[in-house]
Order: sequence, then structure tokens, then C-alpha cells
Amino acid sequence: AQKITQTQPGMFVQEKEAVTLDCTYDTSDPSYGLFWYKQPSSGEMIFLIYQGSYDQQNATEGRYSLNFQKARKSANLVISASQLGDSAMYFCAMREGERAGGTSYGKLTFGQGTILTVHP
Amino acid sequence: DTGVSQNPRHKITKRGQNVTFRCDPISEHNRLYWYRQTLGQGPEFLTYFQNEAQLEKSRLLSDRFSAERPKGSFSTLEIQRTEQGDSAMYLCASSWQGSYTFGSGTRLTVV
Repeated sequence: AQKITQTQPGMFVQEKEAVTLDCTYDTSDPSYGLFWYKQPSSGEMIFLIYQGSYDQQNATEGRYSLNFQKARKSANLVISASQLGDSAMYFCAMREGERAGGTSYGKLTFGQGTILTVHP
Repeated sequence: DTGVSQNPRHKITKRGQNVTFRCDPISEHNRLYWYRQTLGQGPEFLTYFQNEAQLEKSRLLSDRFSAERPKGSFSTLEIQRTEQGDSAMYLCASSWQGSYTFGSGTRLTVV
């Protein structure tokens, strides 16, 4: 069964508008971490934002925020004030067996990704 | 520090040939991971090292795949008797205290 599901193969947004990229996850582990990465056409994975399952508040990093709804098992990424440079593939990922402070190690399980296109 | 370096960036090989990829992690990172990413999909975990010890291997890592990390520094991923289904991007990541840094990957094309 898919552990991370990204149901939007592609999304379009107008420059300067906000956009939400969906991510749902499935785990029986009470401690986990959720990550979002951006992958431009050059191929490298760029870390955007992290949310631990034990975090009470939604994570924010500049223009990125994570809408974490634990009961629904969703971790949607919100990008505010989209820029042309935000056009890329976006991946949601999960790490199980998380320790407080996000210092755990272990593999990431990725979703299928969402291609975001920002129009001028 | 120049980040995680992967070489080569691109590799084209004939079916049946062996290929080897190299990953140089960030020097103070003791954990190193290999992932495989096929076109339009998310990366899939292959294997993971803590220093020189290979701690976990995915079922995706068939007998034709082998990875090493001698002396806990750089790592190599070898694919023997390549098949067309091995065509993919091979990503390496290193980590320290829960944060991962990915390389730009090696794109393998098997013809």
C-alpha cells in the first residue's frame, strides 16, 4: 500500500498567487516526520520544510507552510506569493521512527510528486 | 563545503554491461543513502550506510546491485549485467542530525 499519496499530478498557478499541494500519508508508527522537497529540472532535491508528528504547530519556512492535519493524515504544502522560479516537481516524504527534535536517521519514503507550473 | 557530489552525471551503457557510480558525501555526514528515481516518479530507497556499515537494503536491490562505503567516506553503487529496466536517475544523499543533502544524481540509460 502507498505510504505517501500525492493525488495532483500537475498544478498551475498564477504568479504571486498562493497554491496548495496535497499530501496524505499512511503509517501506524506514532512518531514520524514529514518532509517536502523541490526538484527542479536540474535534478537535485532541495529541502523545503519539515514537520514532526509531535509538533503542535504547523511548520513555516519563509513562503512555505505546512498544513498538518494529523487526524486526517494530511500534510499539505502551501506556497504563498508564487514566483516563476517555483516551477518544479514537488515531493512529499515521510520518515518513520522519529525522535524529538527531528534528529532521526533512516530512509525517506516519497510520494509520486506534483509538477507545479507558475504562469506569469 | 561543496555539498554531495555524484559522478558521472550521465552514463549510457549497453545492456549486459557493468556500471559503477560514485557518491562523495558532505565530509562530516556519517550516514549515506542511495535512491533510484524513474521518470515521473518519486525516489525509491535502495540502501543506507552508517559510516562503513550497510544497515539496510531494499528488496529493490537485486543480486545485480552492490553498494560499498569503504572507510566510511565515499560510496559506490555497482550494477552488474545491466538491463533496460535499470534506466533511471540514481540519487545519493548524506545526512547529519536528521537533515538530508542530496546530490544531483547520475542518470543511467541502458540501450
